[in-house]
Amino acid sequence: KAGVTQTPRYLIKTRGQQVTLSCSPISGHRSVSWYQQTPGQGLQFLFEYFSETQRNKGNFPGRFSGRQFSNSRSEMNVSTLELGDSALYLCASSLVVGQDARKNVEQCFGPGTRLTVT
Amino acid sequence: ILNVEQSPQSLHVQEGDSTNFTCSFPSSNFYALHWYRWETAKSPEALFVMTLNGDEKKKGRISATLNTKEGYSYLYIKGSQPEDSATYLCAFMDSSYKLIFGSGTRLLVRP
Repeated sequence: KAGVTQTPRYLIKTRGQQVTLSCSPISGHRSVSWYQQTPGQGLQFLFEYFSETQRNKGNFPGRFSGRQFSNSRSEMNVSTLELGDSALYLCASSLVVGQDARKNVEQCFGPGTRLTVT
Repeated sequence: ILNVEQSPQSLHVQEGDSTNFTCSFPSSNFYALHWYRWETAKSPEALFVMTLNGDEKKKGRISATLNTKEGYSYLYIKGSQPEDSATYLCAFMDSSYKLIFGSGTRLLVRP
């Protein structure tokens, strides 16, 4: 079974530009979460999508947004890039059946997209 | 602000040594505690998901315990091998279902 894939793997952008990252979850997984990792920080939760709806959101500014398509693929967009947005962006999918099952389910992570803002 | 602390930050051990690290998390509103292993140039890989106080889980030479009343979890590796070298992350989940990650313990096992 194919794992979580993310594209592109590496990206260099200039301050002020915008960027879109893509994530394809494991087949059958309907929940997709996004995380940011910067040097010295743990993984910071950005948002979670389930059945094309944002179900959860972390403490990031409105420049960070996302969406999910009917095939569960997800995109994340960052507008007006800042130098501090340079990070590894990871997405993770999970197979969730039922509300209470959400706490029991492990996340399956992709390889990440390394974004550098200059 | 929820705080998840991991200690130590890094650890160097000799092949064959047993080792353990700690994850501390809020003791209130607990839903789950996750452990992940993250090897360099790879994706984080799930080790354990623990939800009940007193839970003990084991996978090969790696095991974990959970104390939700006092807010800590231990991860143990018995007889460390060089292939165990990785960053070990714990993540706390509360009723919001968000995972709050610690900064990780970086383990290096010398042959």
